[in-house]
Amino acid sequence: EAQVTQNPRYLITVTGKKLTVTCSQNMNHEYMSWYRQDPGLGLRQIYYSMNVEVTDKGDVPEGYKVSRKEKRNFPLILESPSPNQTSLYFCASRKGSGNTIYFGEGSWLTVV
Amino acid sequence: KQEVTQIPAALSVPEGENLVLNCSFTDSAIYNLQWFRQDPGKGLTSLLLIQSSQREQTSGRLNASLDKSSGRSTLYIAASQPGDSATYLCAVGHGSGNTGKLIFGQGTTLQVKP
Repeated sequence: EAQVTQNPRYLITVTGKKLTVTCSQNMNHEYMSWYRQDPGLGLRQIYYSMNVEVTDKGDVPEGYKVSRKEKRNFPLILESPSPNQTSLYFCASRKGSGNTIYFGEGSWLTVV
Repeated sequence: KQEVTQIPAALSVPEGENLVLNCSFTDSAIYNLQWFRQDPGKGLTSLLLIQSSQREQTSGRLNASLDKSSGRSTLYIAASQPGDSATYLCAVGHGSGNTGKLIFGQGTTLQVKP
C-alpha cells in the first residue's frame, strides 16, 4: 500500500529541546516536502526536496532544518523549538511535479 | 506573488443537492491544480489533479474544471451525501514546475445534512 508515514503523530515538548519528526514514503518518489497547517493561515510549505541531497526553502523555513540522505526519508528537525512552532505538520511526496501528491496523516506538535 | 482563494469558507447543504466549490488564483502561470479532501484531524487526500493543459477531470461524482486565463477552478459534487462532509482544499502548482511547490487555498468546509 502506498504510504507516507510520519512519527510521532502527537508530541508535547518544551521550548529549546531539539526534536525530529520523521517522514518515510514507500513509493520511490523523488519529491518530498513539509507543510505546516495553522488556523486562518492554511497550509504553508516549510521545505522541499527534489531528490537525494537536494533541498530548498519553502515559504516558512525559519527555525527548521531538513535532510535528504536517502530517497525514502525526509526528516524535519527543530533545533530549538519555540511556542510559535506549535502546529499541525504534514509530510508529502510525489513522483514528479505533474503527479498526484500524497500526504502523511499529520503530526500534532505542541511547544510549551 | 501567487494567492489562492476559496469561497465560500463554509457551506451547508441538504443531502442530494448538487454543489459547486470555487477556487481562484492570481497568477495564471501554474503547471497544475489539485483538489484535496481533509477530514478533521486527518491528512489530505488527493481527489483530482488537473494539468495546466487540461480543462477538466472527472472521478465518480466529482468534476473539476480549470480556466487558467481567468484564474478559476471549480469542484462540482453531484448528488451530495453526508459522507462528503469534510474540508475541501485546492492547491496550485506554481513556478517552473521543478520547484515542487504547491500553494494552498484556505479551504471550504462542507456539511451535508441527512
